[in-house]
Amino acid sequence: QVQLQESGPGLVKPSETLSLTCAVSGDSITNYYWGWVRQSPGKGLQWIGYIYYIGSTNYNPSLKSRVTISVDTSKNQFSLSLNSVTTADTAVYYCVRIWGGNTRFDPWGQGTLVTVSS
Amino acid sequence: SYDLTQPPSVSVSPGQTASITCSGDNLGDKFSSWYQQKAGQSPVLVIYEDTKRPSGIPERVSGANSGNTATLTIRGTQAMDEADYYCQAWDSGTAVFGGGTKLTVL
Repeated sequence: QVQLQESGPGLVKPSETLSLTCAVSGDSITNYYWGWVRQSPGKGLQWIGYIYYIGSTNYNPSLKSRVTISVDTSKNQFSLSLNSVTTADTAVYYCVRIWGGNTRFDPWGQGTLVTVSS
Repeated sequence: SYDLTQPPSVSVSPGQTASITCSGDNLGDKFSSWYQQKAGQSPVLVIYEDTKRPSGIPERVSGANSGNTATLTIRGTQAMDEADYYCQAWDSGTAVFGGGTKLTVL
């Protein structure tokens, strides 16, 4: 059974870069697409983007200018980088497996709260 | 940008049928998915490709999608079904989520 585990700093200062990593276990990262979804406190879900193991990416147009998703097949993990953060980027960040790159998100990681504050 | 609209809340009595709608332009031409999120937990896929259930999701949970509306139906609703539910679809390569519906089992 595949499991995803997010890791990274829980506190980031405004204007700095948010960096998270998702470790994948129970499946090879070369078999699927992998992505990130975030949820602001008390709010709904927002798709951030995804990556395929060969490095091809697709990002939410509203975040595209600030987002980079990368993959490390040797470590079976992928990462999120979001630059120039503001308090509006405070959210729980989930890593997810995406079937076919355009269908369902399953499963989800446990999520990690990132707070943007000085 | 493409929008998916859900009612903020739906209430149902135990044992009754709950229906949650998700509206979007020509949504029936796309595949819809539904996610259940209980308080303090990560979302869980409950319906994909409009009508399919992942393993472990009971048969009393079903989905439909036609025209501009996708519908999640839960028959014989139980207290354990109380959660937020989100619909999701893809439009022009972008994943879109509905705003979520809080299902309350009274």
